[in-house]
Amino acid sequence: GAVVSQHPSRVICKSGTSVKIECRSLDFQATTMFWYRQFPKQSLMLMATSNEGSKATYEQGVEKDKFLINHASLTLSTLTVTSAHPEDSSFYICSARGLHTGELFFGEGSRLTVL
Amino acid sequence: AQSVTQLGSHVSVSEGALVLLRCNYSSSVPPYLFWYVQYPNQGLQLLLKYTTGATLVKGINGFEAEFKKSETSFHLTKPSAHMSDAAEYFCAVSVDGQGAQKLVFGQGTRLTINP
Repeated sequence: GAVVSQHPSRVICKSGTSVKIECRSLDFQATTMFWYRQFPKQSLMLMATSNEGSKATYEQGVEKDKFLINHASLTLSTLTVTSAHPEDSSFYICSARGLHTGELFFGEGSRLTVL
Repeated sequence: AQSVTQLGSHVSVSEGALVLLRCNYSSSVPPYLFWYVQYPNQGLQLLLKYTTGATLVKGINGFEAEFKKSETSFHLTKPSAHMSDAAEYFCAVSVDGQGAQKLVFGQGTRLTINP
């Protein structure tokens, strides 16, 4: 079946640094990718919708200058957490919608810990 | 606006017993409804989905769910629980109706299986 891969799966960084998380659709093209954030023992909260070749659409309350999203190709979207702080520590999950099938597939998630 | 409520943040059943996880939704358009399972530190795996047609939907691992419009419910069931079913379960509704792209998730229900 279709696979969405996230990298890195775990990352630890110092406060003030920036971290990039990649989301790749491995065997299909994805025009739309979604980025979610999940706090411990909580549900997924949609952060933004990423469309290939255009600017991301952010949900209300999500700082677009802090969470930079780039969707440069049909198989790759990146989320960059800029000037990370401990409160940004979370589990970030992406999902990708197949160009032809319309099916939605989720990545395995990336756990960010900011010290 | 679309929303999902999962009744019970934690459900515990004995191995071999019936599993029932409750989900109620609110939607201003005909809903697309989903159940996902999440194992620790992993992404989400689709169990089943309702789009149109038959209201009883069968999914993977012996799970099924029934869409009841009159009750705005989409409860997940499994006749006989297995130890491997222990996980977090999320109900979700698409916020763009039949576009089925952006999802709003419920709070999640942690299923524990007792031997």
